[in-house]
Amino acid sequence: DAMVIQNPRYQVTQFGKPVTLSCSQTLNHNVMYWYQQKSSQAPKLLFHYYDKDFNNEADTPDNFQSRRPNTSFCFLDIRSPGLGDAAMYLCATSRVGMNTEAFFGQGTRLTVV
Amino acid sequence: DQQVKQNSPSLSVQEGRISILNCDYTNSMFDYFLWYKKYPAEGPTFLISISSIKDKNEDGRFTVFLNKSAKHLSLHIVPSQPGDSAVYFCAAHYQGSQGNLIFGKGTKLSVKP
Repeated sequence: DAMVIQNPRYQVTQFGKPVTLSCSQTLNHNVMYWYQQKSSQAPKLLFHYYDKDFNNEADTPDNFQSRRPNTSFCFLDIRSPGLGDAAMYLCATSRVGMNTEAFFGQGTRLTVV
Repeated sequence: DQQVKQNSPSLSVQEGRISILNCDYTNSMFDYFLWYKKYPAEGPTFLISISSIKDKNEDGRFTVFLNKSAKHLSLHIVPSQPGDSAVYFCAAHYQGSQGNLIFGKGTKLSVKP
């Protein structure tokens, strides 16, 4: 059974048109992360929520925002997608407080046209 | 500045032989290291981890070795199987980072029958 679910798996959006990617989890983990991965590159952390506390990475563009309305759901909003935002977006969860792995969803492949 | 480096973009191994994937890191604060396996169009799947207080962790065919003085870790797969063909990511985090993973760029392993 999938524990971290991302929707949609594939998203095509127009240049400049806002888009939202969603992530849900059944693990009841307190931390949720959003990573961006471009081809042949390392996944790069955009931001994370520790419970309700939002933590933005210093180099994450303002174009990227996130919402976590409850423990189970987290959204990634891209306000004005550019061609350079085309990537795989990965959601992950973990239970902080002990050394443990992060669980990833299957990712959303975003194409900007 | 990459804190986690995987200097070999690809590795090809014959089925039944040993696969050795290498990873170097620069941040001495890292205290927990993980290996993830990723198939195309899928999210990373946790494989094995090691705490900085250990130098070896084994799980079936997979063994991770950590050399703290050299800031180096390696993943050994014995025996390699065609189903092991995937991209392998090395990742690290440290206490207080809320589980934020720093990834390497990955090594694409091909196991040939």
